[in-house]
Amino acid sequence: GAVVSQHPSRVICKSGTSVKIECRSLDFQATTMFWYRQFPKQSLMLMATSNEGSKATYEQGVEKDKFLINHASLTLSTLTVTSAHPEDSSFYICSASSLHRQDQETQYFGPGTRLLVL
Amino acid sequence: GDSVTQMEGPVTLSEEAFLTINCTYTATGYPSLFWYVQYPGEGLQLLLKATKADDKGSNKGFEATYRKETTSFHLEKGSVQVSDSAVYFCALSKTQGGSEKLVFGKGTKLTVNP
Repeated sequence: GAVVSQHPSRVICKSGTSVKIECRSLDFQATTMFWYRQFPKQSLMLMATSNEGSKATYEQGVEKDKFLINHASLTLSTLTVTSAHPEDSSFYICSASSLHRQDQETQYFGPGTRLLVL
Repeated sequence: GDSVTQMEGPVTLSEEAFLTINCTYTATGYPSLFWYVQYPGEGLQLLLKATKADDKGSNKGFEATYRKETTSFHLEKGSVQVSDSAVYFCALSKTQGGSEKLVFGKGTKLTVNP
């Protein structure tokens, strides 16, 4: 299998606070992890790509100081939304792929984290 | 740039009806193509994929064939069930900056009524 988990599944926070979301690959080593944002009734927007042990690569228009990504190990990546505001409310989804797997180009997705900023 | 265009939904069908969700793509080179499914309240799950022209991906009764000449990867199922109700995303993969990145279509919501 290729299972990816996210924690928390749902979080509500006050405006101005920071929120950390964890993404874990449970049964494989993820050489690359991706973070997406999904707006209601819209597609997934890639925010950033991270390889284990190196800095994340952000997509154009995504503020790297706002969305801090850390990929410290082959099974864990974190996304921290700093000084969150209501416009940051969204569904955040991570995915993982592995160069060690035969299907190395396939991304396996976590169940997502619903963030609501009040 | 690379892009994926899906038929707009929502699509509503009766149980046992035939399903087609159209997907076309624009890409340089030869991308791999995917269909992902998102059930209500859940993350995306890989449904099927095809990595080269004329390949057919299949899973759970769903099929899609990689057609290079028409740059298409239409999703089909002969007899849908209520449990197939979900949002379906077509995607292609491209290599950028050393990583394989997915480009998604906007998704097509399918509702199957009993």
